[in-house]
This record gives sequence, structure tokens and C-alpha cells, in this order.
Amino acid sequence: KAGVTQTPRYLIKTRGQQVTLSCSPISGHRSVSWYQQTPGQGLQFLFEYFSETQRNKGNFPGRFSGRQFSNSRSEMNVSTLELGDSALYLCASSPWTGGGNTEAFFGQGTRLTVV
Amino acid sequence: AQKITQTQPGMFVQEKEAVTLDCTYDTSDPSYGLFWYKQPSSGEMIFLIYQGSYDQQNATEGRYSLNFQKARKSANLVISASQLGDSAMYFCAMREPLNNAGNMLTFGGGTRLMVKP
Repeated sequence: KAGVTQTPRYLIKTRGQQVTLSCSPISGHRSVSWYQQTPGQGLQFLFEYFSETQRNKGNFPGRFSGRQFSNSRSEMNVSTLELGDSALYLCASSPWTGGGNTEAFFGQGTRLTVV
Repeated sequence: AQKITQTQPGMFVQEKEAVTLDCTYDTSDPSYGLFWYKQPSSGEMIFLIYQGSYDQQNATEGRYSLNFQKARKSANLVISASQLGDSAMYFCAMREPLNNAGNMLTFGGGTRLMVKP
């Protein structure tokens, strides 16, 4: 069974540009969550999508947005990039049937560098 | 206030010895779940073990066990017989309330474990 796939793995962008990251969850998983990991702030929750609807949202500015497609693949977009957006962006998928011990399976992440 | 606190930024352990990684949490919800993840240098987060707030027994998964002390709000990870491949960052995370939080996890700051040969 294929794991969570994130593309691209590495990305370099210039301040002010926008970027789109992609996440393909494990087959059959309907929940996709996104996290930002930086040395200063650690791992922070961005948002979660379930069946194409945003179910939870973290405390990030509106420049960060996402969506989920009918095949559960998800994209996140960051507009007007700032230097502080440089981070490892992790995607996690879960079957999420409502059970509390449902673990989240993570991809290897996309490392975004803003210059 | 921090919801998840990991007080050990870095730790060394001798190969084949046991090590305990600390995690304390803060929640007023009676229903929550605690997770431990391992993050090697490749970046991927690997699930290790889960403990639910209503679980009567401490969780175990192979060489990993969780020392869950509910009254003290601590969920320490114990790794027995450390191996060189255990060198990585370890994160404690919480989901609360358990069945309404979707797949949203709150993470601690992590502990970097280094296993010495």
C-alpha cells in the first residue's frame, strides 16, 4: 500500500510569489491535515480537510489556504510569500472513522525555502 | 500556556540501554488521546504509540511503552534496548476532545535522542 506522497520535496521561491503544494493520501483515507514545521515555532497545525470540506483550521493568516478534491488529494497554497514561510510542510492522512486512536500517517514533507 | 511540554531538548543514551522521554500535557477535557511520533532526519513523522485518556493500561508497542500518569498529566515514552537507528527527534502530541477534534494534533517541541555506540 503506497504511503502519503507529497510533491514537490523541495522548493525555492522568491518573496511575494505564491506556491502550491500537493499531498496524495493513502488510498481510502478521507482526512488530510497540513502542518508547518519551523525551528522557531515547531510543528503547527494549518488545516484539515475531510470529504472535500475544511473541518479544522489553525491560527494562520488568510494567505494560507487549501482544498481537497473528490479523490481526497489535497493542495495547500501560500500567497504573497514571506521569508518566515520557509519551513517543512507536512501532510498527514487518516481514515478518520471517528475513533480517537486513529493515527495520522505523515508524508516526507515539502521543504519550502523563500529567498 | 503550552498544551504539550517536552522539557528535554536533547538526550544521549548508550546503545542497548533504556531511555525515558518526558511529556506533560495540559487539557481540561476528560476525553483526549496522546501520541508519540519519531522524526528521522528524512523528515517523515513515524507513529510509535497511542494512549487514550480512558485506557486503563499503559500502552506498549514492541520496544516502546508509555508511562501514563493521568493525575500528573504526564505521558512519558520509554524505549527499551536502544538501537543506533533510534537516533531521531521524538514528538509527543495530543488530540482533544477525542472524537470531535478531527485529525488535529497539537505537538510538543520535541526531544532529540542520540544513541551512542
